[in-house]
Amino acid sequence: DAGVTQSPTHLIKTRGQQVTLRCSPKSGHDTVSWYQQALGQGPQFIFQYYEEEERQRGNFPDRFSGHQFPNYSSELNVNALLLGDSALYLCASGRLPRTPWETQYFGPGTRLLVL
Amino acid sequence: AQKVTQAQTEISVVEKEDVTLDCVYETRDTTYYLFWYKQPPSGELVFLIRRNSFDEQNEISGRYSWNFQKSTSSFNFTITASQVVDSAVYFCALSEALEGDTNAGKSTFGDGTTLTVKP
Repeated sequence: DAGVTQSPTHLIKTRGQQVTLRCSPKSGHDTVSWYQQALGQGPQFIFQYYEEEERQRGNFPDRFSGHQFPNYSSELNVNALLLGDSALYLCASGRLPRTPWETQYFGPGTRLLVL
Repeated sequence: AQKVTQAQTEISVVEKEDVTLDCVYETRDTTYYLFWYKQPPSGELVFLIRRNSFDEQNEISGRYSWNFQKSTSSFNFTITASQVVDSAVYFCALSEALEGDTNAGKSTFGDGTTLTVKP
């Protein structure tokens, strides 16, 4: 049973460019959340998708957008990249709890470096 | 707004010592979920334990145990008989329950505690 997968693993971009990161959830999961983790900090919630719609959003500008596909996979798009967007981007999948003990599982992340 | 504070930035212990990682949280929600995750150098967050706000029972799972106290808004995590493989960054996280359902919404993380276990 494959866990959460993300691609690419590493990415280097220059300021002003656009980037797309991809995530495939764990089998049986239907929600996908994206997090940004700057060096030395904890992950920060960007947004969550369920049934192909953005369900919740954190304090991130509109340059950050996403999409969820019918197969539950998801993309994170960042436009007009800034140096401060350099971080590890984590994807987490889960599902609406059918028991109290459901939780979310994280992928290995994509390391983005903006020069 | 939700907030998670991990006051310990770095902890270093010698193998076989017990170590407790502190976590203090702030939330206005009456229903919420607390988690501990481990992040090895590879970067992937590994789920360790979860506790619901309405269940203050403390438990032990193998070498892991936790102490959840709503009165002090603390959710501390203990590793007994630490091992070198326990070396990692540990994150405490708080998730809200969205109004109308029991689904855990967005998670708020602390800034992590770097644990180094020396042989």
